[in-house]
Amino acid sequence: EPEVTQTPSHQVTQMGQEVILRCVPISNHLYFYWYRQILGQKVEFLVSFYNNEISEKSEIFDDQFSVERPDGSNFTLKIRSTKLEDSAMYFCASSGDYEQYFGPGTRLTVT
Amino acid sequence: AQSVTQLDSHVSVSEGTPVLLRCNYSSSYSPSLFWYVQHPNKGLQLLLKYTSAATLVKGINGFEAEFKKSETSFHLTKPSAHMSDAAEYFCVVSDRFSGYSTLTFGKGTMLLVSP
Repeated sequence: EPEVTQTPSHQVTQMGQEVILRCVPISNHLYFYWYRQILGQKVEFLVSFYNNEISEKSEIFDDQFSVERPDGSNFTLKIRSTKLEDSAMYFCASSGDYEQYFGPGTRLTVT
Repeated sequence: AQSVTQLDSHVSVSEGTPVLLRCNYSSSYSPSLFWYVQHPNKGLQLLLKYTSAATLVKGINGFEAEFKKSETSFHLTKPSAHMSDAAEYFCVVSDRFSGYSTLTFGKGTMLLVSP
């Protein structure tokens, strides 16, 4: 069964550093998403992406964040200058006809 | 605006006994509702979905949920718990039926199953 994959599974970085989280969506899906879950809190929507541009973004998704689909298969989330409060589990998702399929997540720890 | 309230942060049951995970929603439109499950170190897996067809929805692994508009509820049930059901469960709402939607999650309910 096709699945969404994410790398790395765990990323540790120092405050102020740039990180790139990678996702490979299901191959025939057209819509791509990033969500995050801070420890002990709800899963929150960050951004959606369709036809090579952002469709929608939440207030969390400020200028420090960017997304890209560099090569037709990968979908990346970049955080330019990480802060302690960016520590969270980041989930990538993709959808075709209807439901969203989620990846296993990347745990980002900012020290 | 839409929101989801999961009424219990933890539910403990014994193996073989029924499971009830409660969820109430708020939505300005006729919502789509989902339950997702997350096992440790795994992604979010769709258990079942309601999209304005039958109000009683059957999902995978023997789970089902009933959409009750008058009570704005979408509780998840299973007649008999298995040890493998121990996981975190998320009730999720969307105000769209199309392939594109943004999901609003509840805080999650951790289901603990004892032998």
